[in-house]
Amino acid sequence: DQQVKQNSPSLSVQEGRISILNCDYTNSMFDYFLWYKKYPAEGPTFLISISSIKDKNEDGRFTVFLNKSAKHLSLHIVPSQPGDSAVYFCAASDGNTPLVFGKGTRLSVIA
Amino acid sequence: DTAVSQTPKYLVTQMGNDKSIKCEQNLGHDTMYWYKQDSKKFLKIMFSYNNKELIINETVPNRFSPKSPDKAHLNLHINSLELGDSAVYFCASSHRYNEQFFGPGTRLTVL
Repeated sequence: DQQVKQNSPSLSVQEGRISILNCDYTNSMFDYFLWYKKYPAEGPTFLISISSIKDKNEDGRFTVFLNKSAKHLSLHIVPSQPGDSAVYFCAASDGNTPLVFGKGTRLSVIA
Repeated sequence: DTAVSQTPKYLVTQMGNDKSIKCEQNLGHDTMYWYKQDSKKFLKIMFSYNNKELIINETVPNRFSPKSPDKAHLNLHINSLELGDSAVYFCASSHRYNEQFFGPGTRLTVL
């Protein structure tokens, strides 16, 4: 039973446009959410996070939105750049057990 | 300075062999993990370990065993390797169950 779902395995976006990656979760005990970025042949790297007491967190071109009632979060990248092409993993935590990861979404930013 | 390091980066071996992958973190974290990224690119947690408890994903065969000589190291031992064990294995560490830092991965190929 997947507690964290990324339903889009891939996404293609034109350079300069907005990329929106989505993530849904089922466990209402999750109170901390993270996005990781992974390039081929490298380990995932932390990108941005959000606590359940917030509904938005922004860091440069990256913004994460959290809708607790819908159990949904999204990562917005604007403007998208070719270097953003990678696999993005959503992850969630209840603070007492290890992070639960989604299956990832492969983002391709086309120049 | 590499925060989480793994050796070797590549490992090619025959079926039936026993092998180990080493992991070291210099972040002072109290919790370490092993993940398997399979052919479908899913990140599956295998173990999480701190000085108090080892949490094992119940789907992991008992041919896999983590060994922690000290807080900075969590090595992965695999006995009687099988073809299906071919994957990329990632080590990670965190303070408690917060944001995790990943190593670069070890690509294991079983022939």
